[in-house]
Amino acid sequence: ETGVTQTPRHLVMGMTNKKSLKCEQHLGHNAMYWYKQSAKKPLELMFVYSLEERVENNSVPSRFSPECPNSSHLFLHLHTLQPEDSALYLCASSQDFGGGLDEKLFFGSGTQLSVL
Amino acid sequence: DAKTTQPPSMDCAEGRAANLPCNHSTISGNEYVYWYRQIHSQGPQYIIHGLKNNETNEMASLIITEDRKSSTLILPHATLRDTAVYYCIVRGFHGSGNTGKLIFGQGTTLQVKP
Repeated sequence: ETGVTQTPRHLVMGMTNKKSLKCEQHLGHNAMYWYKQSAKKPLELMFVYSLEERVENNSVPSRFSPECPNSSHLFLHLHTLQPEDSALYLCASSQDFGGGLDEKLFFGSGTQLSVL
Repeated sequence: DAKTTQPPSMDCAEGRAANLPCNHSTISGNEYVYWYRQIHSQGPQYIIHGLKNNETNEMASLIITEDRKSSTLILPHATLRDTAVYYCIVRGFHGSGNTGKLIFGQGTTLQVKP
């Protein structure tokens, strides 16, 4: 148990659906992240939020829309996805963003997304 | 941020030490070496990090060469549960000429065998 919980664990959706991924951290951290891991590829950083403000957006298509209503919760809203968006989506948190010697990322178990 | 090079895969016998190498020849003075691992179907897990001194914790030891151009992660007594992908990452502080972000490469797939 890492203190970062992601739901759902598995999601199958059609290209016209709208769905949301949820992440919750119980660690009192100030920064939260979305990573994407496609099959046989390295993790790709998608978004970073620090103190509920988006500080990184790595050229992610607009069909992915993040939301951070407070420092404990992070959402990824999905709409009109493509089959190539099928991947493991991982949420992580850290005490702060890029600021500390001992900054470590704590990851959730991920949501395995399949787009049909 | 400096790049790292790791072998794509390694095997290790259960109970023996696993030594995972990493090259980071372009590392700069204010960049740290971090190690994470990812067990199948789970998120990555932090293992250890260091700047220039050797480090040890309950999970592993990190040996960094004097010139800091390479490092080795040592799992002293590997078990079957240590089978995972191990990532070596170089990271500096955000705003110090670095992004401060953890950028994952392909890592080394360690297979621990009975």
